[in-house]
Amino acid sequence: GQSLEQPSEVTAVEGAIVQINCTYQTSGFYGLSWYQQHDGGAPTFLSYNALDGLEETGRFSSFLSRSDSYGYLLLQELQMKDSASYFCALLVYQGGKLIFGQGTELSVKP
Amino acid sequence: ETGVTQTPRHLVMGMTNKKSLKCEQHLGHNAMYWYKQSAKKPLELMFVYNFKEQTENNSVPSRFSPECPNSSHLFLHLHTLQPEDSALYLCASSQSTSGRDTQYFGPGTRLTVL
Repeated sequence: GQSLEQPSEVTAVEGAIVQINCTYQTSGFYGLSWYQQHDGGAPTFLSYNALDGLEETGRFSSFLSRSDSYGYLLLQELQMKDSASYFCALLVYQGGKLIFGQGTELSVKP
Repeated sequence: ETGVTQTPRHLVMGMTNKKSLKCEQHLGHNAMYWYKQSAKKPLELMFVYNFKEQTENNSVPSRFSPECPNSSHLFLHLHTLQPEDSALYLCASSQSTSGRDTQYFGPGTRLTVL
């Protein structure tokens, strides 16, 4: 089967750096995506790693290591508006399906 | 961002009602998806449509009936639902289902079944 694990909650202060980890099990996948979801809102695409290594998009970076079945999302210079749930998701071979983790609720404190 | 829209945003229905959720995408995509998001659970894929053809039914009960009249519109018809079906129902679209294409989500319909 396929599954992803990520911490349920993370708390950090404004201006800090936070890393949200994601470990997974799968028989085959194209890549690992990250989505942000504010309370009551739509999941918004943040980043996608098809290959091992780091992808940087502004304050957000995402990393993938296929050999370790592991990835992470790094958020720098945290702002209050970054308080949201963050989901990792595998884009698996079967019909381009996205398999989501349970989400990590990030709380940014002043 | 109004790439993917969903109506209604909120819906309360009884177990004997029949209602429909609507999704429309303005991105020129060919694939559309229905997901269910329950509290404290991962998003669960329900259905996938590619070029109006259903390519995936993720063991969804028959009380949920999808319809895709064209590549821009997707419906989810609901009948005789159960209270445990209360959840946020999200629609998404992508260029294709071949993989590697980013999925873009609508704001969802918050469904409450009484």
